[in-house]
Amino acid sequence: KNQVEQSPQSLIILEGKNCTLQCNYTVSPFSNLRWYKQDTGRGPVSLTIMTFSENTKSNGRYTATLDADTKQSSLHITASQLSDSASYICVVSATGGYNKLIFGAGTRLAVHP
Amino acid sequence: KAGVTQTPRYLIKTRGQQVTLSCSPISGHRSVSWYQQTPGQGLQFLFEYFSETQRNKGNFPGRFSGRQFSNSRSEMNVSTLELGDSALYLCASSLMGAEYNSPLHFGNGTRLTVT
Repeated sequence: KNQVEQSPQSLIILEGKNCTLQCNYTVSPFSNLRWYKQDTGRGPVSLTIMTFSENTKSNGRYTATLDADTKQSSLHITASQLSDSASYICVVSATGGYNKLIFGAGTRLAVHP
Repeated sequence: KAGVTQTPRYLIKTRGQQVTLSCSPISGHRSVSWYQQTPGQGLQFLFEYFSETQRNKGNFPGRFSGRQFSNSRSEMNVSTLELGDSALYLCASSLMGAEYNSPLHFGNGTRLTVT
């Protein structure tokens, strides 16, 4: 069964600290993996997209890694800011179209001053 | 460049009624997809339209339908509303579609409440 599991479910960190969010998947055949940031009451915003051959991709203070062998991805946030408070959603796509998009439940991150 | 626009932002309906939601994609984007987001189920794919044709469909009942116009604007319709249809409905546009590794650009959604 295609599944995407994210951990932790929620996280609280202090402003300026780093953190790492995890995404494990059992989606096959794998096409790509995406990380999105969703602020409360708004739509998700794309952070990174990685295909099978990519193992690291950065977007400013956000760095995503992908290990296709172990089917694990992580999103590392450096020098967190209050505006990083949001839900972070991992989405894995299997080949075959939109009905092969598998969404994780998300990690809710709160950055405190 | 204008982003994805969804209207209305909020909607309150009664069980049994029907509702139509609208989505205007980013100019030049031909793929529009729709999603339902609830606290219990998270994000779930409803369907995708590309050049006025439904190209992919998720596992939702036939009460959920959509269409796309020649200018790529899309509408989603839900008939015979149920309490469980209360959710945030998101649409996303992309140049070619998710399977081509195209980024998905989401609107801010329509919050539907069914009473």
